[in-house]
Amino acid sequence: DTAVSQTPKYLVTQMGNDKSIKCEQNLGHDTMYWYKQDSKKFLKIMFSYNNKELIINETVPNRFSPKSPDKAHLNLHINSLELGDSAVYFCASSLGGDSNTGELFFGEGSRLTVL
Amino acid sequence: AQKVTQAQTEISVVEKEDVTLDCVYETRDTTYYLFWYKQPPSGELVFLIRRNSFDEQNEISGRYSWNFQKSTSSFNFTITASQVVDSAVYFCALSERNSGYSTLTFGKGTMLLVSP
Repeated sequence: DTAVSQTPKYLVTQMGNDKSIKCEQNLGHDTMYWYKQDSKKFLKIMFSYNNKELIINETVPNRFSPKSPDKAHLNLHINSLELGDSAVYFCASSLGGDSNTGELFFGEGSRLTVL
Repeated sequence: AQKVTQAQTEISVVEKEDVTLDCVYETRDTTYYLFWYKQPPSGELVFLIRRNSFDEQNEISGRYSWNFQKSTSSFNFTITASQVVDSAVYFCALSERNSGYSTLTFGKGTMLLVSP
């Protein structure tokens, strides 16, 4: 069983399109995250949700909108895609509250290529 | 603000050599966690180790060992007798515990190339 799963794994699209990446975790974790890995391999947090509530929102363009329908899912929707959005997007989850150990469990990543 | 520095961008070794990957961190918190992740060419992030700020014991796991020194804010990673399969990008990361969630800050990674 995959603990944190993302779909799609690969996504190729044209500039200006809107696309979504879905993430689901079956670990029973309270907190989920989106990280972006750019072409230089740098990993940076974008968003975090705890029990469906937004708790971290780094400086990310408004074209990016996370949505958490329940605590097991955190989807990422991107409007009006730009060339610079090309990256690998990683979903992750962690325990919340006093159980938090700092460890994140990552999905396999979704490689987005904008042409 | 927390910061992780991996000064080595790329390291090339020949199989069976030992190699040490350096990691230096900055944080104002007294409670924090340090991690190493491996990212092989296939792209996934593989968890290697977590160390909390109160535990300075070094750790060995097979060919891997970690040296945590709070006095120098370093958490270095050594691979003994490297193998071609160790070729990957290795990330050091720091997590401060804020109200029960993790703000994991990554270093820029060190690419390790092990040639036969």
